[in-house]
Amino acid sequence: AQKVTQAQTEISVVEKEDVTLDCVYETRDTTYYLFWYKQPPSGELVFLIRRNSFDEQNEISGRYSWNFQKSTSSFNFTITASQVVDSAVYFCALIEDNFNKFYFGSGTKLNVKP
Amino acid sequence: DADVTQTPRNRITKTGKRIMLECSQTKGHDRMYWYRQDPGLGLRLIYYSFDVKDINKGEISDGYSVSRQAQAKFSLSLESAIPNQTALYFCATSDFTASGSIVEQFFGPGTRLTVL
Repeated sequence: AQKVTQAQTEISVVEKEDVTLDCVYETRDTTYYLFWYKQPPSGELVFLIRRNSFDEQNEISGRYSWNFQKSTSSFNFTITASQVVDSAVYFCALIEDNFNKFYFGSGTKLNVKP
Repeated sequence: DADVTQTPRNRITKTGKRIMLECSQTKGHDRMYWYRQDPGLGLRLIYYSFDVKDINKGEISDGYSVSRQAQAKFSLSLESAIPNQTALYFCATSDFTASGSIVEQFFGPGTRLTVL
């Protein structure tokens, strides 16, 4: 079974729309970390956020916000007022309390059209 | 200068050739990883290493080998390349904070490998 599921393969929006990227994870551990990365067309992987399992407080950073809900095992990412530069593939990732491996979702490709 | 570097950045090779992808880091991290990325499949772990004496297979290690020459260097080899190893390869590092929290992975820029 997939430890990290990003069910949305590709999303297209028009600039200035809000968009939410879903991430559902699976773990039996009580201690774990979740991450989001951005991969723009240039190919590099850019770290966006890290959240540990004991901190369910939602976080906002500019136009980006993250909603962490342990009850539904979800760590969703919302971009407000999307811009063309947000076009990228976004990956959600999990590491469990053995801290050995990072598990990545298959990614969601976001297309923001002008 | 980049904290995690990969060489080469692009490589085209032929079936059956041996090829080595190199990764160097200046972050001082003990943990290093090799991933491959294929369209629609996300990042899949090939090998990981927690120090120079510790090498572990990931989910898709067949056809690959690694060498951890030093804390800062982790090389990936394809002994006899085949076309389905055509992919984007990433090296990454990670470590723990002083308080024991895991830090995020820091990725290299990637190596685009094409096997003809």
